[in-house]
Amino acid sequence: GQQLNQSPQSMFIQEGEDVSMNCTSSSIFNTWLWYKQDPGEGPVLLIALYKAGELTSNGRLTAQFGITRKDSFLNISASIPSDVGIYFCAGASSNTGKLIFGQGTTLQVKP
Amino acid sequence: DVKVTQSSRYLVKRTGEKVFLECVQDMDHENMFWYRQDPGLGLRLIYFSYDVKMKEKGDIPEGYSVSREKKERFSLILESASTNQTSMYLCASSLLQGNNSPLHFGNGTRLTVT
Repeated sequence: GQQLNQSPQSMFIQEGEDVSMNCTSSSIFNTWLWYKQDPGEGPVLLIALYKAGELTSNGRLTAQFGITRKDSFLNISASIPSDVGIYFCAGASSNTGKLIFGQGTTLQVKP
Repeated sequence: DVKVTQSSRYLVKRTGEKVFLECVQDMDHENMFWYRQDPGLGLRLIYFSYDVKMKEKGDIPEGYSVSREKKERFSLILESASTNQTSMYLCASSLLQGNNSPLHFGNGTRLTVT
């Protein structure tokens, strides 16, 4: 079946550093979504991307829909302790419309 | 704000027990979903429903069933719990079909089957 490969699996960084994570797929997607899950809570949508090449920001977060439609990245600038959590990418196939989630990136920030 | 409420945060059940996980949303959303979350595997779709009394299998429906008797409530049922069903279960709802309508998640139920 279709799969998303999300990397890195985990990151441990110093407060103030920038963070980058990405997702790749062997299939073409027409939607890329980025969610964040705070400890003890459900995932919350951060950014939605619907067009190849689209670059969208939400505060210190920036995400891009890859030109090939097979990848997406999320950058976090100047990380702060409340950025801690699990970040999930999710992609929707242009064939099936089905939403598939990546494995998640666990981010820890050292004050 | 949309609120998706899962009735239990933590559950411990024995192998072979019948388990009900309940989920209620308060925003009149058409669509409801059940996912399980496991480390290294992300979120995997178990079942979803686009309307009352309607259900569709997701990617990993084996060992589970669902019930949607009312629009606001979507129940996940483990007919005979097994240890490999120990996991975090997340309920979600969305207003419309299609991926332009974001998923709103509950806070999860962590189920342990012993």
